[in-house]
Amino acid sequence: AQSVTQPDIHITVSEGASLELRCNYSYGATPYLFWYVQSPGQGLQLLLKYFSGDTLVQGIKGFEAEFKRSQSSFNLRKPSVHWSDAAEYFCAVGLNSGGYQKVTFGTGTKLQVIP
Amino acid sequence: DAMVIQNPRYQVTQFGKPVTLSCSQTLNHNVMYWYQQKSSQAPKLLFHYYDKDFNNEADTPDNFQSRRPNTSFCFLDIRSPGLGDAAMYLCATSRWTRGRPYNEQFFGPGTRLTVL
Repeated sequence: AQSVTQPDIHITVSEGASLELRCNYSYGATPYLFWYVQSPGQGLQLLLKYFSGDTLVQGIKGFEAEFKRSQSSFNLRKPSVHWSDAAEYFCAVGLNSGGYQKVTFGTGTKLQVIP
Repeated sequence: DAMVIQNPRYQVTQFGKPVTLSCSQTLNHNVMYWYQQKSSQAPKLLFHYYDKDFNNEADTPDNFQSRRPNTSFCFLDIRSPGLGDAAMYLCATSRWTRGRPYNEQFFGPGTRLTVL
């Protein structure tokens, strides 16, 4: 069974600073990987996804993520954080399962942005 | 814009009083999912519909049921809500196509359920 680990429960960064959120996955085959963002009281918005090909993936809102098979990682990065980026971020791995996609989410990382 | 809509956004019910949450989509996706997300936790899949075929996760309590009367709508019924069922309920959709490796899920804004 696939699993996702987000080792950082809570991260605080200053506005304008760079950001890296860590994600490690466990899955036997080539994974389908995602990062979602959730603002308080809201649903999940897809930031970016990796299915295959270029291991550096660009997403919305200036985010990018790099797939590293050797490290089983899919870390999310942003060069300069804005106050509006404060939210919870979920890494997820997807599995095609005969008629639907089973997605396993990590436990999330809450990002706080300070002035 | 094509989207996933959930109504209501906030629902308050009493302990043991049945409640129904609604999800609709304009994406014409053939798969619809219901997730439960408790505070500070990851979303947990309850069940999904592939077209009209209902698929329950093994650990979803019997208290939770679902209906999908047509492609666009899906309902989550909680027959006798307990205090532990207070959570955000997220609906998602995707298109499953044979031969295509993967299509991502699109999420609605969620319904926050409070049980008094």
